[in-house]
Amino acid sequence: GAGVSQSPSNKVTEKGKDVELRCDPISGHTALYWYRQSLGQGLEFLIYFQGNSAPDKSGLPSDRFSAERTGGSVSTLTIQRTQQEDSAVYLCASSTLLGGEGTQYFGPGTRLLVL
Amino acid sequence: GEDVEQSLFLSVREGDSSVINCTYTDSSSTYLYWYKQEPGAGLQLLTYIFSNMDMKQDQRLTVLLNKKDKHLSLRIADTQTGDSAIYFCAEKKRAGSARQLTFGSGTQLTVLP
Repeated sequence: GAGVSQSPSNKVTEKGKDVELRCDPISGHTALYWYRQSLGQGLEFLIYFQGNSAPDKSGLPSDRFSAERTGGSVSTLTIQRTQQEDSAVYLCASSTLLGGEGTQYFGPGTRLLVL
Repeated sequence: GEDVEQSLFLSVREGDSSVINCTYTDSSSTYLYWYKQEPGAGLQLLTYIFSNMDMKQDQRLTVLLNKKDKHLSLRIADTQTGDSAIYFCAEKKRAGSARQLTFGSGTQLTVLP
């Protein structure tokens, strides 16, 4: 079956420009997560959407970062006025809320390079 | 410091066993996970263990959990070159609304021929 997809796979942008990253979760998964993976680092939680509830934005590093999830499915992560330190791999994951372990399934990521 | 800690590198010979260790700090963690990341790819779930279990075995993989010491390990038997990857330990800190995972920085496993 189809897994989590993300686009674009790679994005090179200039400092100060805005970028939009897209995530298509697994059909039927009500929970969606964004993480950031910097070079040689673990994954840093950014934001979590659960159904129609207000998202948990506690991991967003600054107000330049925002995300939305339309229709309970596709999500877009927007970074405004990009900085070089925003360069990282941005990973999206989705899960069901059925059962306890709520396994998160990850997409392949978007590799963002800010010049 | 990091909530979840792992050593950065591990090298083993093909055919040997690999043991990747992880320590976590939240005793209320309900589930602990091992993910594998191959170069240029996303994270692939390998296995997970519920906090009331001590051990879980799945083919070549054995997960051991020492809840008292907050120590988790992943043993890969008969390690193959295809096992070369970064392995991430992750914890889900509590049940309920906080469902995001906290990851370690990953252990780069290199399998030598």
